[in-house]
Amino acid sequence: DAKTTQPPSMDCAEGRAANLPCNHSTISGNEYVYWYRQIHSQGPQYIIHGLKNNETNEMASLIITEDRKSSTLILPHATLRDTAVYYCIVSPGTYKYIFGTGTRLKVLA
Amino acid sequence: EPEVTQTPSHQVTQMGQEVILRCVPISNHLYFYWYRQILGQKVEFLVSFYNNEISEKSEIFDDQFSVERPDGSNFTLKIRSTKLEDSAMYFCASRTTGGAGNTIYFGEGSWLTVV
Repeated sequence: DAKTTQPPSMDCAEGRAANLPCNHSTISGNEYVYWYRQIHSQGPQYIIHGLKNNETNEMASLIITEDRKSSTLILPHATLRDTAVYYCIVSPGTYKYIFGTGTRLKVLA
Repeated sequence: EPEVTQTPSHQVTQMGQEVILRCVPISNHLYFYWYRQILGQKVEFLVSFYNNEISEKSEIFDDQFSVERPDGSNFTLKIRSTKLEDSAMYFCASRTTGGAGNTIYFGEGSWLTVV
């Protein structure tokens, strides 16, 4: 089973920041937090990942709490094309990711 | 940017027929995966493959399924005798090395319809 809990859906106004929360209270010390998104039925698209520190790339920022039990993905200026299902995944190691049900983000014009 | 490519994009097959889904992982990647997604449901792990053998498989990956890396570039998923419930999108994925900090990249999927 997925080790993460995410709200099933969220709305965000276009141009505003989208903040997507994720709880992973049982995360182990060597597990990373990964974020992916899936637009319609396309393949999951990698967004960002981190271990302890906050991370930023051209797509998003990842904020991980100090106790690592939760994190937030931030899309700084959401556009209509960011409408997708967003998955937060903790990876126990080499072999696989386990997807949960994700958060369905709808960006509103 | 390198990408995982999958063929066919869509296949319709009769129940009981064999199907082979093909994937070309990113060229320097060593770990390969198949996932599936039944319409409206979660993305489910099927199998991982490394060093020419299965590393891990889920309960879904029963004897009807097999994977193979027939040459240096392709990675295939075979369903021996398809059932209606095998209708799904199948995603191939790959990663470069086994470290926990490395990223899995997914292809765009092969949509299988069993009739």
